[in-house]
Amino acid sequence: LAKTTQPISMDSYEGQEVNITCSHNNIATNDYITWYQQFPSQGPRFIIQGYKTKVTNEVASLFIPADRKSSTLSLPRVSLSDTAVYYCLVGFTGGGNKLTFGTGTQLKVEL
Amino acid sequence: GAVVSQHPSRVICKSGTSVKIECRSLDFQATTMFWYRQFPKQSLMLMATSNEGSKATYEQGVEKDKFLINHASLTLSTLTVTSAHPEDSSFYICSADWGEYNEQFFGPGTRLTVL
Repeated sequence: LAKTTQPISMDSYEGQEVNITCSHNNIATNDYITWYQQFPSQGPRFIIQGYKTKVTNEVASLFIPADRKSSTLSLPRVSLSDTAVYYCLVGFTGGGNKLTFGTGTQLKVEL
Repeated sequence: GAVVSQHPSRVICKSGTSVKIECRSLDFQATTMFWYRQFPKQSLMLMATSNEGSKATYEQGVEKDKFLINHASLTLSTLTVTSAHPEDSSFYICSADWGEYNEQFFGPGTRLTVL
């Protein structure tokens, strides 16, 4: 399983774009990159997943460079409700493969 | 998206008693379910992998006789914390794997407090 490294914490203000970068130097060929959001006392919630280049959905974008050794989660115009812990996971999450959570990034959004 | 439920959402028990936590996939069949434990301000730690109809695979350091896992059907896995002690107090989270999609769906978690 690829090990991931993320900043422990980030601070932002409402309305700003937030970019959280995750490095995963030993990513394997068939590994996907998945980001989850977790609020206190709740289970993680899927945000976005990608394999290469750029993926966008209604809540976030995921940028993956050609070498796939890192990825950046972009949250446009954050609000107070985006204050949460964000986890970057690398691996093939289907077919019974286990996920290993790193330390995650605590994002704090203020007014 | 697929929904995973857990019951109960929180439980308080006396030291020495056993507690059962249920994890259900509500609208899909989960070939594999995972059990995690999360202590305050810490990340999720995988405890075991549960496959329907077979014995669970436990992570290193997790006592299989203390944390009993039963995956009797494709929609239900249970975790029983036997002879619970205060140090077992934690947030227990399950996730379910559809198998066909490269995604895991997490339950809302169960807060266990052992007095």
